[in-house]
Amino acid sequence: DIQMTQSPSSLSASVGDRVTITCRASQSVGNFLNWYQRKPGKAPEVLIYSASRLSTGVPSRFSGGGSGTDFTLTINILQAEDFATYFCQQGYSIPWTFGQGTKVEI
Amino acid sequence: EVQLVESGGVVVQPGGSVRLSCAASGFRFDDYTMHWVRQGPGKGLEWVSLMNWDGGTTKYADSVRGRFTISRDSSKKSLYLEMKSLTTEDSALYYCVGASRFWSGYEFWGQGTLVTVST
Repeated sequence: DIQMTQSPSSLSASVGDRVTITCRASQSVGNFLNWYQRKPGKAPEVLIYSASRLSTGVPSRFSGGGSGTDFTLTINILQAEDFATYFCQQGYSIPWTFGQGTKVEI
Repeated sequence: EVQLVESGGVVVQPGGSVRLSCAASGFRFDDYTMHWVRQGPGKGLEWVSLMNWDGGTTKYADSVRGRFTISRDSSKKSLYLEMKSLTTEDSALYYCVGASRFWSGYEFWGQGTLVTVST
């Protein structure tokens, strides 16, 4: 199975900050890397798919980059509604595997 | 509006069985490969099982193969997970998830249903 290592596991930030989360795969996954946001009591939602494509309806302050084994999720100008947990997922090979998650806190 | 609503979560003793259900609405259920994904307490997300659009293909994680069975009913727009011989390691929030037809990931998620295996 492909191991996904996400960092940091948590971070503290303020409204207006720029936040970057990284995800590293144990082997190349090409651009088959997706990012999700999860808020307490709500269903997770996809933010970025195929490494850099913004999902429909997701604000443009979210962006994704990288390919192969190293990926990033960047949130520019953090908003109050962005405080949540973010996790990456590789779709290169079954079983699709996930990073451990990054909790973005105030 | 797309909705996936899981049900069936319960507290069960080790060795017991549970059947989870997931009711889908707001999208063409028959077009989608559906998955179950779980997250145990203090653990990361773990893929459990998938069934393709017509039920012809199923796959399972090594940790559940032989104990869990995935199924779907297109007439009811529902996905199921039959879980047997449960252990404490199966305690988790179980998500019903719809995989995208166009990219390798999850387009729709439910809110999850909690299974606790405990004496």
